[in-house]
Amino acid sequence: EIVLTQSPAALSLSPGERATLSCRASQSVSRFLAWYQQKPGQTPRLLIYDASTRATGIPARFGGSGSGTDFTLTISSLEPEDFAVYYCQQRSNWPLTFGPGTKVDIK
Amino acid sequence: EVQLLESGGGLVQPGGSLRLSCVASGFTLSTYSMNWVRQAPGKGLEWVSGVPGSGDRTYYADSVKGRFTISRDKSKNTLYLQMNSLRAEDTAIYYCVEGSWENWGQGTLVTVSS
Repeated sequence: EIVLTQSPAALSLSPGERATLSCRASQSVSRFLAWYQQKPGQTPRLLIYDASTRATGIPARFGGSGSGTDFTLTISSLEPEDFAVYYCQQRSNWPLTFGPGTKVDIK
Repeated sequence: EVQLLESGGGLVQPGGSLRLSCVASGFTLSTYSMNWVRQAPGKGLEWVSGVPGSGDRTYYADSVKGRFTISRDKSKNTLYLQMNSLRAEDTAIYYCVEGSWENWGQGTLVTVSS
């Protein structure tokens, strides 16, 4: 099973700041890495797939990068609605796995 | 418009069984890969089970292997998750997710408790 580690566990930032979230895989997942956003009481929303492709309707301020074992989700300028928990997921190998999440909250 | 509607959750005693259903609309479920994902109260996401579009194999998380079975009924455009030998740690909201991962159901809550 591929284990995903996310860092930091929590991030306190102000609106307008840049957020950089990391996801590291225990073995290579090539570019089969996705990012999700989840707000309290809501279902997860796909943001990025294949490491860097934005999903339907996702604003350009969300960007993904990386390959192999190291990946980054960048939010270029935080909007009030971006404060949420972010999960990475690998789809390279079964069983699929999620990271533990990074909570981005308002400073 | 793609919609996924889960049902079948509820309160069950440890060792009991439940069958979750996920009715799809707006697409033909049998031609897409489908997955179940769960989220325990206050915890993160855990992938549970998946079936590729080909349907030639099924896949399970180690935590549920041998206890849960994923299946689909083409005539009803429905995905199922049969859950047996339930444990307290299976308590979670269970989501049905379509293969692009853009479309999630609203979830159904399973509570395993005596």
